[in-house]
Amino acid sequence: SQQGEEDPQALSIQEGENATMNCSYKTSINNLQWYRQNSGRGLVHLILIRSNEREKHSGRLRVTLDTSKKSSSLLITASRAADTASYFCATDERTDKLIFGTGTRLQVFP
Amino acid sequence: EPEVTQTPSHQVTQMGQEVILRCVPISNHLYFYWYRQILGQKVEFLVSFYNNEISEKSEIFDDQFSVERPDGSNFTLKIRSTKLEDSAMYFCASTGQGKYGYTFGSGTRLTVV
Repeated sequence: SQQGEEDPQALSIQEGENATMNCSYKTSINNLQWYRQNSGRGLVHLILIRSNEREKHSGRLRVTLDTSKKSSSLLITASRAADTASYFCATDERTDKLIFGTGTRLQVFP
Repeated sequence: EPEVTQTPSHQVTQMGQEVILRCVPISNHLYFYWYRQILGQKVEFLVSFYNNEISEKSEIFDDQFSVERPDGSNFTLKIRSTKLEDSAMYFCASTGQGKYGYTFGSGTRLTVV
């Protein structure tokens, strides 16, 4: 797989359920970030986890990072219809640029 | 909350024409970027800019592309002679000294006809 590949590609859940998205990458990184994109709109930074961190929380978001497996997960708890969006992981590959994954399209039904 | 502002939100241009996409990064940020997203595809890095010069650029960023920070606030991307395949959403981003998360603008949708 390419740097920053998310799975699943699409996820549909009911409001109140938890949503888990996974990201895998190939090279060494300084940090990994998760972004959200509403359809046709800009990218919103959600959370950054550094390579020496294993878990981070921000509100209803929980991110884990396993550098030995080169993978990360984003958990959204108690999802809401407003969480409907595409979610992307992005890694820095220890350079001055972000490499984005293909994204997970999350649909939360009321 | 500080924002990165991009104008215009949508630009339609004839093939072969020059376009300039404009961005106003967050005022105390030091690093500036352009990314693009072709419809349905990944967000791709184009170029990074620091201390008034390009620090890194991708293969996409060929001689048709240029960036400028003319007045200390605006950050522009110029495409000299647009091609159909340049149609995409172009995002400007900026970040501060620690590069702790990037702030992206809402994007400019460029349509080349």
